[in-house]
Amino acid sequence: GEDVEQSLFLSVREGDSSVINCTYTDSSSTYLYWYKQEPGAGLQLLTYIFSNMDMKQDQRLTVLLNKKDKHLSLRIADTQTGDSAIYFCAEMKAAGNKLTFGGGTRVLVKP
Amino acid sequence: NAGVTQTPKFQVLKTGQSMTLQCAQDMNHNSMYWYRQDPGMGLRLIYYSASEGTTDKGEVPNGYNVSRLNKREFSLRLESAAPSQTSVYFCASTRERGNNQPQHFGDGTRLSIL
Repeated sequence: GEDVEQSLFLSVREGDSSVINCTYTDSSSTYLYWYKQEPGAGLQLLTYIFSNMDMKQDQRLTVLLNKKDKHLSLRIADTQTGDSAIYFCAEMKAAGNKLTFGGGTRVLVKP
Repeated sequence: NAGVTQTPKFQVLKTGQSMTLQCAQDMNHNSMYWYRQDPGMGLRLIYYSASEGTTDKGEVPNGYNVSRLNKREFSLRLESAAPSQTSVYFCASTRERGNNQPQHFGDGTRLSIL
């Protein structure tokens, strides 16, 4: 989706933190989501943040939202080999019930 | 708890052949969606059904038709397959329209058009 952009690839060492970035263009977006896709599988919802929040933490995951810059990030603490996957950010526009996805960031965790 | 089930998982077609991709959910969800996933482009919405009996076009509907057979099932049909429709197709569902309703995805159908 051209409205949501992500970098293509991220390589990280096991135990380090990963930061995946996403930018979006629609200031009316209400919810922003992070999905994880493992090889051969569908998308699994990891976490989401409402647009009036700046940060949300869920165990090893931290989502930061900068509404002014329309920038969203996902930080994974203590990255594990099982975190290797493609991560998609997605925005829900104000009209509701339709998601616009970014192109996905492939995360490779090296031992 | 099966969630969202898609069939088939893999299919190879010749150009011009027709095909129906099946999707069923057992979560009593009202809204269902069909996406296609192409490398580097994320997921693009083909069609969606906000509730039983209604369907609407998404971002890339050309070459596809859908049927919301009942609350559980939402099928996607390619009447005359083209190589440009080679992709991975995902079905998703959500409980109801609303911004905080996460979408649940099936495992995908990998379709190749020769």
